[in-house]
Amino acid sequence: AQKITQTQPGMFVQEKEAVTLDCTYDTSDPSYGLFWYKQPSSGEMIFLIYQGSYDQQNATEGRYSLNFQKARKSANLVISASQLGDSAMYFCAMRGSGAGSYQLTFGKGTKLSVIP
Amino acid sequence: EAGVVQSPRYKIIEKKQPVAFWCNPISGHNTLYWYLQNLGQGPELLIRYENEEAVDDSQLPKDRFSAERLKGVDSTLKIQPAELGDSAVYLCASSFDGAGPDEQYFGPGTRLTVT
Repeated sequence: AQKITQTQPGMFVQEKEAVTLDCTYDTSDPSYGLFWYKQPSSGEMIFLIYQGSYDQQNATEGRYSLNFQKARKSANLVISASQLGDSAMYFCAMRGSGAGSYQLTFGKGTKLSVIP
Repeated sequence: EAGVVQSPRYKIIEKKQPVAFWCNPISGHNTLYWYLQNLGQGPELLIRYENEEAVDDSQLPKDRFSAERLKGVDSTLKIQPAELGDSAVYLCASSFDGAGPDEQYFGPGTRLTVT
């Protein structure tokens, strides 16, 4: 079974500052993928970034980077230079390599509020 | 490129009534997913289609929920009869299963309120 834990129900960050959203995971699959999604108040889940378990380098996509520490089973999202439009729910998710591997397992999310 | 389209965006019904949700995936995406998202939780998979075949419906409550994906494009999710506990957001997502992470693209969801 796969499990995602996001321990921060809510976070505040000053505009233009960086923020780290925590995510830890548990899986017995030897190969897996980790995803971060953003869900604004409109409800749509927006794909942000992906990290494969065998990727040697941490993933980056514009202002988003993923701090992947495999031994610690953590996949924290770092948002640099926060903007007001970054205020939203953020979900960490994983997908394994075994049966049902297309299923994404989500955490409970972190609500990020960017303060002007 | 148009995203995943869902309708209606909001639906309020009385318990024991039927309800249906519609999803149009991104053009060319062969895999379609229906997720349930309860308040304060992450989405949970209900059913996954590869083309027109339901390849994973193990978490779909089949006594009251049904789904179809005719011609491997649009999909409909139905609840009959609805219960108070079905109040949630129903998300549709699609992906193209080729090389790469096959990230799923989500629609805006249908927020269902059962009274």
